[in-house]
Amino acid sequence: ETGVTQSPTHLIKTRGQQVTLRCSSQSGHNTVSWYQQALGQGPQFIFQYYREEENGRGNFPPRFSGLQFPNYSSELNVNALELDDSALYLCASSLAGAGGPTEAFFGQGTRLTVV
Amino acid sequence: AQKVTQAQTEISVVEKEDVTLDCVYETRDTTYYLFWYKQPPSGELVFLIRRNSFDEQNEISGRYSWNFQKSTSSFNFTITASQVVDSAVYFCALRLMNSGYSTLTFGKGTMLLVSP
Repeated sequence: ETGVTQSPTHLIKTRGQQVTLRCSSQSGHNTVSWYQQALGQGPQFIFQYYREEENGRGNFPPRFSGLQFPNYSSELNVNALELDDSALYLCASSLAGAGGPTEAFFGQGTRLTVV
Repeated sequence: AQKVTQAQTEISVVEKEDVTLDCVYETRDTTYYLFWYKQPPSGELVFLIRRNSFDEQNEISGRYSWNFQKSTSSFNFTITASQVVDSAVYFCALRLMNSGYSTLTFGKGTMLLVSP
């Protein structure tokens, strides 16, 4: 086990709704990244948070937003859900230090279905 | 921009066969890390290995071995004497060493099916 936990594990939402996914980082890790994995594809980077600030973003629209809390846990929010947002959402935590970030350890993911 | 290509979409083998999963990457940076992750049906990505671009030495860990060849931009993964528990989707990924991010660029994955 990686120590990274995500909730909920499954979720069904209607198009146009908003959703919040949660991630609890591995103890001691200060960096959280979120990835979207569509069926049959590799994970795609959404954004990364370091010490509560977004410090990197992939090619995702602004309706994808996030937060990182002082305890390094994180949320991913998606507004105005579209059918194409149906995917497995993965959270990864790592430790950023002087030598660069450590390996990313992933949670089990949240499977979001938009109908 | 970085790119990782895993040309094999699905591989089926019988238990005890050896199998090699191919990974080819593209980057203009000279310093980077390469990774392999395993994704069982539960969904969690399990870290298997990290190699940096300075170190082309092959690595063996039990039944797993990795062959990194910078000249061909390849980082192939071999499972010796495969077992049913090896059935999963395997992802190759790249991360730039000089980036402040821990962003990973993944390939599309290779699904490995090991039958008894």
